[in-house]
Amino acid sequence: KAGVTQTPRYLIKTRGQQVTLSCSPISGHRSVSWYQQTPGQGLQFLFEYFSETQRNKGNFPGRFSGRQFSNSRSEMNVSTLELGDSALYLCASSRTGDLAPNEQFFGPGTRLTVL
Amino acid sequence: DQQVKQNSPSLSVQEGRISILNCDYTNSMFDYFLWYKKYPAEGPTFLISISSIKDKNEDGRFTVFLNKSAKHLSLHIVPSQPGDSAVYFCAASVGNFNKFYFGSGTKLNVKP
Repeated sequence: KAGVTQTPRYLIKTRGQQVTLSCSPISGHRSVSWYQQTPGQGLQFLFEYFSETQRNKGNFPGRFSGRQFSNSRSEMNVSTLELGDSALYLCASSRTGDLAPNEQFFGPGTRLTVL
Repeated sequence: DQQVKQNSPSLSVQEGRISILNCDYTNSMFDYFLWYKKYPAEGPTFLISISSIKDKNEDGRFTVFLNKSAKHLSLHIVPSQPGDSAVYFCAASVGNFNKFYFGSGTKLNVKP
């Protein structure tokens, strides 16, 4: 069974640009969550999508947005990039929603560098 | 505001000895806790979890202890092996199993 895949793995952008990251969950998983990891801050929850709907949201500005397609694949978009957006962006998929504990499987992440 | 804190950025332990990784939290409403392990260039992988109705959960060499009154969580690895060298994250949620608050991680180095 293929794991969670994220593309691209590395990305370099300049301030003011926008970027789109992609995540393909494990087959059969309907929930996709996105996290930002920066040194010293750990993983910070961005948002979660389930059945094409954003169901949970973290405390990030509106420049961070996402969507989920009918095949459960998800994209995350960051507009008007700032230097502080440089981070590892991780996506995690799980089988069901938030009604019971279920393991989240993480992808390898996309390393975004903003110059 | 960091609701989950791992105050030790790194820990070094001799192979065969016990590794104890600690995690503190501020939100008394957290009711589900997990530990993840992360190797370089890979995403975190789930290790062990515990619900707030328990104070201990064991899985092989890994045991998680929960002290609700102290708002403290710890992961014990016995015996430690060089392959356990990784960054360990604790995470917590409030009645929502898909929205987690993570600590900043502790890098464990197990020396042969």
